[in-house]
Amino acid sequence: GAVVSQHPSWVICKSGTSVKIECRSLDFQATTMFWYRQFPKKSLMLMATSNEGSKATYEQGVEKDKFLINHASLTLSTLTVTSAHPEDSSFYICSARVPDIQTLNGNTIYFGEGSWLTVV
Amino acid sequence: AQSVTQLGSHVSVSEGALVLLRCNYSSSVPPYLFWYVQYPNQGLQLLLKYTSAATLVKGINGFEAEFKKSETSFHLTKPSAHMSDAAEYFCAVSEWSGNTPLVFGKGTRLSVIA
Repeated sequence: GAVVSQHPSWVICKSGTSVKIECRSLDFQATTMFWYRQFPKKSLMLMATSNEGSKATYEQGVEKDKFLINHASLTLSTLTVTSAHPEDSSFYICSARVPDIQTLNGNTIYFGEGSWLTVV
Repeated sequence: AQSVTQLGSHVSVSEGALVLLRCNYSSSVPPYLFWYVQYPNQGLQLLLKYTSAATLVKGINGFEAEFKKSETSFHLTKPSAHMSDAAEYFCAVSEWSGNTPLVFGKGTRLSVIA
């Protein structure tokens, strides 16, 4: 089953409004989550690293005031796209690192199902 | 810094034929390597991962990949392609530390011809 869950899967919003996307870790605590954006037929672009209890770390070129990230608990990170424009329409994916408890020899990064945002 | 190069943005094979998707990485530290699959309009699903144990890694759906340090490669293979394998495949690299993200290749779209 899923270990990382995103909601909503699909959202349509009007230009100028804000929309929030949630990313939850299921049955484990994630002190760090990552937010990616994927343009059509393109690879995934890391937007920011979300740290529980502290400010997110944004990648170069990503507007902090436009893409607000809040990691208020160990199981929830949210991405809010503020004052959305049509060019913000994209597929947003979050991920979290899950320790391999059995082997203690690495970890696995799981992704949420993704959220399609369409701004009209 | 780490990077991943996936050779071939589009690979087409016949059903039942061998699947080979190429991935080369660059890393200044011992890498952890992953292959993910993305079906149309869906998120990413982990196929397999290399975490410094066995160099030949077996994943889901009959896929496997071999880590070759001398060639800095982590190619994905499957002996016999199914129609259901048609999807986008991403190779990714990461450091083993608590909070580093994945660095992705640009992806390879696999088409399977009946």
